[in-house]
Amino acid sequence: GAVVSQHPSRVICKSGTSVKIECRSLDFQATTMFWYRQFPKQSLMLMATSNEGSKATYEQGVEKDKFLINHASLTLSTLTVTSAHPEDSSFYICSAYRQGTYNEQFFGPGTRLTVL
Amino acid sequence: SQQGEEDPQALSIQEGENATMNCSYKTSINNLQWYRQNSGRGLVHLILIRSNEREKHSGRLRVTLDTSKKSSSLLITASRAADTASYFCATDSAEWGYNKLIFGAGTRLAVHP
Repeated sequence: GAVVSQHPSRVICKSGTSVKIECRSLDFQATTMFWYRQFPKQSLMLMATSNEGSKATYEQGVEKDKFLINHASLTLSTLTVTSAHPEDSSFYICSAYRQGTYNEQFFGPGTRLTVL
Repeated sequence: SQQGEEDPQALSIQEGENATMNCSYKTSINNLQWYRQNSGRGLVHLILIRSNEREKHSGRLRVTLDTSKKSSSLLITASRAADTASYFCATDSAEWGYNKLIFGAGTRLAVHP
């Protein structure tokens, strides 16, 4: 299967700082990537769809100014949590959609964000 | 938003027993997929079943899909301790486009040696 990486795998930051998470498709090009958030013992909640070369599409209730998404190339999407607060502490997972297969998404290993 | 519910929320069984998890959804779908997630880790894709399929097998996994009831089940036969994980169904639909996947609430499976 295709490989998607995330960096960092774990980050701890102070309240009020910004944190950037990278999602890379290592062996294929992804025009579309997705960002999910997962709270403990809960399911994945889709936050936004990241489209290469255009603005991200956010799900209802997700603040676009809070969660900045940049999909600058066909292999890289970044999620920046701005002015992070403790309630933003969560597990953030990205996925990349591979063209040519039917809705085959490959998931990254996730990033654990802890805001103190 | 989540597409639907999974039951049970938690399941505890002994090694060698079969585990059955159910997933219900609300809208018409194109495909339904099952994923496994070990604690604190990423997702592992298990199986995809298309809306025009009723049953699919992969190793010890058996998935059924009943579009009239908007439900699916995942059966793991002869379970092993290594099967301990959370299991999620995910659906995609032409109704929301963009190849988005919407996940169910998940079932936490514990297999005891």
